[in-house]
Amino acid sequence: RKEVEQDPGPFNVPEGATVAFNCTYSNSASQSFFWYRQDCRKEPKLLMSVYSSGNEDGRFTAQLNRASQYISLLIRDSKLSDSATYLCVVNFDYGQNFVFGPGTRLSVLP
Amino acid sequence: DGGITQSPKYLFRKEGQNVTLSCEQNLNHDAMYWYRQDPGQGLRLIYYSQIVNDFQKGDIAEGYSVSREKKESFPLTVTSAQKNPTAFYLCASSIGVIGWQGKDQPQHFGDGTRLSIL
Repeated sequence: RKEVEQDPGPFNVPEGATVAFNCTYSNSASQSFFWYRQDCRKEPKLLMSVYSSGNEDGRFTAQLNRASQYISLLIRDSKLSDSATYLCVVNFDYGQNFVFGPGTRLSVLP
Repeated sequence: DGGITQSPKYLFRKEGQNVTLSCEQNLNHDAMYWYRQDPGQGLRLIYYSQIVNDFQKGDIAEGYSVSREKKESFPLTVTSAQKNPTAFYLCASSIGVIGWQGKDQPQHFGDGTRLSIL
């Protein structure tokens, strides 16, 4: 079983749609969680950290369920510029190991 | 501005040649990492270092070597033993184990080096 799994995608949605991505992780000792976005042929960029209480940044909402070892990212009112691959990242071992999911590709269509 | 600088942006390797990719950070981070990404694939860890003069193999270290003589620098050498070196190479840094405070300490990435075989 892979350590971090994500929805396989791709997701093709119209502008203005709401889209949700899911991520599961296998290591129950995982300590911190992040969502990154990666544009084609570019480096990953931090989108947001994920906190136990859930957190929101504008149109983006992240949720963490430690009991189910599950993370989600919700994007509301999708923009064309949201088109990218979204990477779920889990950190454990006191900051030493970052494990990346395979990514979920999103295409927002006009 | 603080950040991570990778150079060169594009690199071509001749058969049998070793090439070195540069990674420098001024974020005062202890931990540094090298990843490889093939087209349409995820990131795979090559090597990582938590402190100067120490580094560990990642999942795909064969055919690669690194050094960590300075906190700011973590160069990656792609040796002739790496038979399929064509990929996008990404360097990252983080606060690391030493400065770890329990949460919200992500990795920061350089903008990558694209390596191709001539």
